[in-house]
Amino acid sequence: QVQLVQSGAEVKKPGASVKVSCKASGYTFTSYGISWVRQAPGQGLEWMGWISAYNGNTNYAQKLQGRVTMTTDTSTSTAYMELRSLRSDDTAVYYCARTDPPVTNDYWGQGTLVTVSS
Amino acid sequence: QSALTQPRSVSGSPGQSVTISCTGTSSDVGGYNYVSWYQQHPGKAPKLMIYDVSKRPSGVPDRFSGSKSGNTASLTISGLQAEDEADYYCCSYAGSYTVFGGGTKLTVL
Repeated sequence: QVQLVQSGAEVKKPGASVKVSCKASGYTFTSYGISWVRQAPGQGLEWMGWISAYNGNTNYAQKLQGRVTMTTDTSTSTAYMELRSLRSDDTAVYYCARTDPPVTNDYWGQGTLVTVSS
Repeated sequence: QSALTQPRSVSGSPGQSVTISCTGTSSDVGGYNYVSWYQQHPGKAPKLMIYDVSKRPSGVPDRFSGSKSGNTASLTISGLQAEDEADYYCCSYAGSYTVFGGGTKLTVL
């Protein structure tokens, strides 16, 4: 069965970086993309970007350009999302999702809470 | 990259039907047949309910249906059940990016 398992919760100080992992299993990793979506406390879903696990091509949300990097390691079927220069409003639950392009996110990870606080 | 517009809340009694709208522009909802809908219960990850405007993944009840007219997509839930109470989000392709709606809280009275 398809599963996406994310890394554990993180607490970071403003200005620091965070790297969240998403390990996929149960399907051919390179046949789909991985999207990253975040949800601030009490707020809606926000698309962060997408990476093709086939060739590494990426699309990022304009507001995160320059602060976010998405990568994959096909040898371990793992996707990564790194967010730099963290601010308090980056506090959110971060989700990865398997994506059948462009917007069919059919399986989701359990979410990773990232808290940014001094 | 503005969020799609959804009503903040809708409600209905068990057995009734409700429709949630999702309004965008010709650059997103109106420009592509790539709209998906997600159900999210509190503290849980979103779940795909509809993709490509009107297709249902296996395992999703046929009480859930999707449609689109112009720049507005809609999710209709018929025969409401208590477990349908959740937040619902639409999502559209917009060329070089993807955009979500602000979310709609469905209350089953």
